[in-house]
Amino acid sequence: AQSVTQLGSHVSVSEGALVLLRCNYSSSVPPYLFWYVQYPNQGLQLLLKYTSAATLVKGINGFEAEFKKSETSFHLTKPSAHMSDAAEYFCAVSVDTGNQFYFGTGTSLTVIP
Amino acid sequence: DAGITQSPRYKITETGRQVTLMCHQTWSHSYMFWYRQDLGHGLRLIYYSAAADITDKGEVPDGYVVSRSKTENFPLTLESATRSQTSVYFCASASRQYGQYFGPGTRLTVT
Repeated sequence: AQSVTQLGSHVSVSEGALVLLRCNYSSSVPPYLFWYVQYPNQGLQLLLKYTSAATLVKGINGFEAEFKKSETSFHLTKPSAHMSDAAEYFCAVSVDTGNQFYFGTGTSLTVIP
Repeated sequence: DAGITQSPRYKITETGRQVTLMCHQTWSHSYMFWYRQDLGHGLRLIYYSAAADITDKGEVPDGYVVSRSKTENFPLTLESATRSQTSVYFCASASRQYGQYFGPGTRLTVT
């Protein structure tokens, strides 16, 4: 079975500060891992995905995530937060990119000017 | 336009009424999904479909019915709407290369 835990339902950072959003997963098989972003009143947009290639994955808008098998983690980072990064972020796990996804409960990111 | 669309975008209905939410994708993806999004619960899978005429239950299927007679369409029906089904509903389709594409969502209010 697969599941995802996102630590911290709300995260606040100052503009220009490091963004770190935490995601831990459990999976009985090698996982595919995803981060999605949701802006207010919109659908989910893919930020990046890990599909068993490089463990450090770069995504859109300057975000990246590192797959750490030993820690069963896939934390999302961005070196310098921008006001436009304020949104809801979801981590998801799947056994296949085209198959059923399991989502975390989301982390709401607030960027303080 | 290519993509995944949902209709209606907003819907208000009364308890006990039947409501159908539409989802259409232009990519011919095999997999399609319906989620509901509620505060504190994130996204929960209602139903999914691996191909036309193949559907399966997700985490919260009770009170919902789906069908998939054509690859591109995946309607979700609430047979007798309840207030607990007030939510935002997202449809998604999936490809092996990219992952899941999401529609813009339908905000449903049951009064």
